[in-house]
Amino acid sequence: KQEVTQIPAALSVPEGENLVLNCSFTDSAIYNLQWFRQDPGKGLTSLLLIQSSQREQTSGRLNASLDKSSGRSTLYIAASQPGDSATYLCAPSDTGRRALTFGSGTRLQVQP
Amino acid sequence: GAVVSQHPSWVICKSGTSVKIECRSLDFQATTMFWYRQFPKQSLMLMATSNEGSKATYEQGVEKDKFLINHASLTLSTLTVTSAHPEDSSFYICSARELSGGLNQPQHFGDGTRLSIL
Repeated sequence: KQEVTQIPAALSVPEGENLVLNCSFTDSAIYNLQWFRQDPGKGLTSLLLIQSSQREQTSGRLNASLDKSSGRSTLYIAASQPGDSATYLCAPSDTGRRALTFGSGTRLQVQP
Repeated sequence: GAVVSQHPSWVICKSGTSVKIECRSLDFQATTMFWYRQFPKQSLMLMATSNEGSKATYEQGVEKDKFLINHASLTLSTLTVTSAHPEDSSFYICSARELSGGLNQPQHFGDGTRLSIL
């Protein structure tokens, strides 16, 4: 059974800092991995999807890397802004049904 | 972009009531939809996989007779919480993956349904 761990659980930084959020998973037989953000009481917004054959994916200020063999992914946020404040979730997809297993998330607070 | 609509967004009802939640893919077709549940301050847990035209696949510990899933078309899946009790109060959220464009399409999530049973 896949288990996903995200570190740190919470993070508070001043505006403008570059951040690294870490995700580790126990079963490296994944199909792809998605990073999401979740605002309080809201649904999920997909940020990036990395295919199992890829090493990284970029979208604007966000960059996600994947090391499938070691079971790790990182989300890099450049020049953080208060609007980035949210919970960030990492979710690898299994190779069968493509269901996602979620970590507990990293709660990010960017101070203005 | 792909949009998943979930309805209702908020439900408050009495214990013993059955509640139906709809999940629609608005601009794409999805043979598979997923239902997740999220308790306060916890992450999302997969409840079941909804397959168009066939029976849903439930995760261990999820009662299929309590959480009825119907996936009658390529754009609609419904989750019915039967005879709901306070312990069923949670945030329910669905996701769908586009049928076209290959198997590496991202999953798109609805906005979720907050269910409160009194």
